[in-house]
Amino acid sequence: NAGVMQNPRHLVRRRGQEARLRCSPMKGHSHVYWYRQLPEEGLKFMVYLQKENIIDESGMPKERFSAEFPKEGPSILRIQQVVRGDSAAYFCASSTGTGNEQYFGPGTRLTVT
Amino acid sequence: GQSLEQPSEVTAVEGAIVQINCTYQTSGFYGLSWYQQHDGGAPTFLSYNGLDGLEETGRFSSFLSRSDSYGYLLLQELQMKDSASYFCAVRAPNQGGKLIFGQGTELSVKP
Repeated sequence: NAGVMQNPRHLVRRRGQEARLRCSPMKGHSHVYWYRQLPEEGLKFMVYLQKENIIDESGMPKERFSAEFPKEGPSILRIQQVVRGDSAAYFCASSTGTGNEQYFGPGTRLTVT
Repeated sequence: GQSLEQPSEVTAVEGAIVQINCTYQTSGFYGLSWYQQHDGGAPTFLSYNGLDGLEETGRFSSFLSRSDSYGYLLLQELQMKDSASYFCAVRAPNQGGKLIFGQGTELSVKP
């Protein structure tokens, strides 16, 4: 049973470009969460999605950030017009209904130059 | 708001026992989870406490006291591979599966 998959693992973007981060949840999991982690810090919740629905986006910046989890295909976290402050590790997690036990992917390290 | 407090770092020797504490302030509470993270890699679920008391999983145990808004992770028979960051996290009612994480405790296990 494959775990949570994220790609790319590393992404370098220049300021002003767009970043697209992809996440495929574990088989059988329909709940997806995105978290951001800065060096030496904890994980900060960004958004919680189920298939075709955004359930909670309270942790996501209002501008430039968007997320989707279509009926078919991976969940996408999109960051438009990236700035240096967006440089971080972005982790995706998936779960069954309760969310008490979340399975994390390896993360995407975004570097904005 | 919600906040969690845990020590920033702990050092112990191989074979010893170490306890990592976590206190939380939340508006409502579903349970306390613990995750392990090696060198910035994928966080790995360790344990969950929804009710007061001790949960044991091999060398790791986790405890929760809801009346004290306090929990801890206990690691026994420490091994070098246990050197990692440990995060406590809470899930709050009416917020789906959203987890609020503490800042993490860096555990260093010395020979």
